[in-house]
Amino acid sequence: DTEVTQTPKHLVMGMTNKKSLKCEQHMGHRAMYWYKQKAKKPPELMFVYSYEKLSINESVPSRFSPECPNSSLLNLHLHALQPEDSALYLCASSQAFRGQGIGANEKLLFGSGTQLSVL
Amino acid sequence: SQQGEEDPQALSIQEGENATMNCSYKTSINNLQWYRQNSGRGLVHLILIRSNEREKHSGRLRVTLDTSKKSSSLLITASRAADTASYFCATAYNTGKLIFGQGTTLQVKP
Repeated sequence: DTEVTQTPKHLVMGMTNKKSLKCEQHMGHRAMYWYKQKAKKPPELMFVYSYEKLSINESVPSRFSPECPNSSLLNLHLHALQPEDSALYLCASSQAFRGQGIGANEKLLFGSGTQLSVL
Repeated sequence: SQQGEEDPQALSIQEGENATMNCSYKTSINNLQWYRQNSGRGLVHLILIRSNEREKHSGRLRVTLDTSKKSSSLLITASRAADTASYFCATAYNTGKLIFGQGTTLQVKP
């Protein structure tokens, strides 16, 4: 299995709802990433997990709560979102080098994303 | 911000022509990667060049890296309509971050 699988593909939620985005990979990758992408803009890094521990939080508001329950799964819990949080949320994975960041030969494999609309 | 710049923002060419897009970045990198994105969906990895490499080829793709100028270019030769997409460069750092440039939207007309 050489894919990163994201569910759901589309999500519509109200500002008072609680929802979760899910990401799964079975390639033995030990680094997993969440990116947010607004229309016609580049992906922006949100969180990085390395060996199931949160290693990077790019000052993301607390209404976004990441979780990495095991080496294959990555969740993004959403609560009290705002309409401006509507975006494509992308998950990615890569081999991880413990404490050494992204290695010279390391690439990221992306899922197809969850298109989120907040009403 | 570590985010790089790309130019041009948009490029429109005829099938069979070559397409060149450029990327600049600000600080030392571990590698530089190019990705393609169709219709706002997932990103597809195209090619990676390490910081100690100057040029790399993969099929119709050629990427160059000039670390002294902190810049890279992606050349797509003999373009096809199916190459129509957004192209992003991304720079990898020893902090664990992969940061994307602003992107180039390529339209290849049949």
